[in-house]
Amino acid sequence: QITLKESGPTLVKPTQTLTLTCTFSGFSLSTSGVGVGWIRQPPGKALEWLALIYWDDDKRYSPSLKSRLTITKDTSKNQVVLTMTNMDPVDTATYYCAHRAVGGDFIYWGQGALVTVSS
Amino acid sequence: DIQMSQSPSSVSASVGDRVTITCRASQGISSWLAWYQQKPGKAPKLLIYAASSLQSGVPSRFSGSGSGTDFTLTISSLQPEDFATYYCQQANSFPPTFGQGTKVEIK
Repeated sequence: QITLKESGPTLVKPTQTLTLTCTFSGFSLSTSGVGVGWIRQPPGKALEWLALIYWDDDKRYSPSLKSRLTITKDTSKNQVVLTMTNMDPVDTATYYCAHRAVGGDFIYWGQGALVTVSS
Repeated sequence: DIQMSQSPSSVSASVGDRVTITCRASQGISSWLAWYQQKPGKAPKLLIYAASSLQSGVPSRFSGSGSGTDFTLTISSLQPEDFATYYCQQANSFPPTFGQGTKVEIK
């Protein structure tokens, strides 16, 4: 059974750096083809893909946010960490991590973590 | 980036109705398209992958079709638990992009 869960602060101040951790079970991020991605959703709005890390440490980022994002993995802990710098109120959203299938779709998702950016 | 456009943005339907949602890609994506269902306060759920393949455990009233730039999600007989927002996502190239969503509401 594959599960993922996001953890991190619920409130950050403008200009601060957000660090979110995705802790997963039921699969290994050292298995060929496996990836874990981050997707966010502002309240009442659509989904937006942010970043992805593969089993081989290949990393991909949203072009519009690339300068602010870093994704890393700790295979031994079954964790993926996303950092986003210079947070702004427009970054207020629910942040999801998800298991990415070889075909490119996201089969398994975490429950999501609501992050509010406010002073 | 490949832009994904869904229509309609919302649809009102009754239980038992046939509902069709369209997704158009700004450039060809072969069959690299997924459909998700999202209910309020919940994470998206994968329904269809590779444009027409039904994800395990998803009821057969859901079906997907299309290739290239034009795709369709069809719910053959709408059930009460199907009232939700539906998103398409292209998996052809990075960055993966989602449509703006289609809300299926009770008529």
